[in-house]
Amino acid sequence: GQNIDQPTEMTATEGAIVQINCTYQTSGFNGLFWYQQHAGEAPTFLSYNVLDGLEEKGRFSSFLSRSKGYSYLLLKELQMKDSASYLCAVMDSNYQLIWGAGTKLIIKP
Amino acid sequence: ETGVTQTPRHLVMGMTNKKSLKCEQHLGHNAMYWYKQSAKKPLELMFVYNFKEQTENNSVPSRFSPECPNSSHLFLHLHTLQPEDSALYLCASSQDKVSGANVLTFGAGSRLTVL
Repeated sequence: GQNIDQPTEMTATEGAIVQINCTYQTSGFNGLFWYQQHAGEAPTFLSYNVLDGLEEKGRFSSFLSRSKGYSYLLLKELQMKDSASYLCAVMDSNYQLIWGAGTKLIIKP
Repeated sequence: ETGVTQTPRHLVMGMTNKKSLKCEQHLGHNAMYWYKQSAKKPLELMFVYNFKEQTENNSVPSRFSPECPNSSHLFLHLHTLQPEDSALYLCASSQDKVSGANVLTFGAGSRLTVL
């Protein structure tokens, strides 16, 4: 079957760096997405990786290794507003999105 | 303002009630989706419409009935629900269904509680 694994919850300190990992096993691969979801709000798109390597977008970076079925989201200079759930999703060969259960990130002062 | 608006934001209903969730997108997208989000579980895709045609129904019980009258509006009709149907129902839209970089724009969701 198809599967996405990511940690359930992580805690980090304001101003620090945190890496949220995502591993996947899917039928084919057409890209990996990261979304951010604040409590009670809509998930919002953060990044899309389809080729191996690091994509940087401000304080957020996303990395992909297709051979390892692995991605991570790197958040730098953490701010309290970064407290949210981070959802990893992979698009398979049928253009179906396979979702992880999300990682709840708690930022402490 | 996300461009995708869902109403109502909260809904409490009994198991014998009939209610509807509404979704409207102002983005000119051609694909619309209903997802179910339960705590600590992956998003569950329920229905997909592409150019107003239903393209997917992921084994969803018949007590959930979607309707897509045009490419901007999507409804989810609810009847004789069960307590386990309590969840956050998210609507989303995208430019196209079949595309690699198919970025979804979500609404804030309708929180449904079935008593």
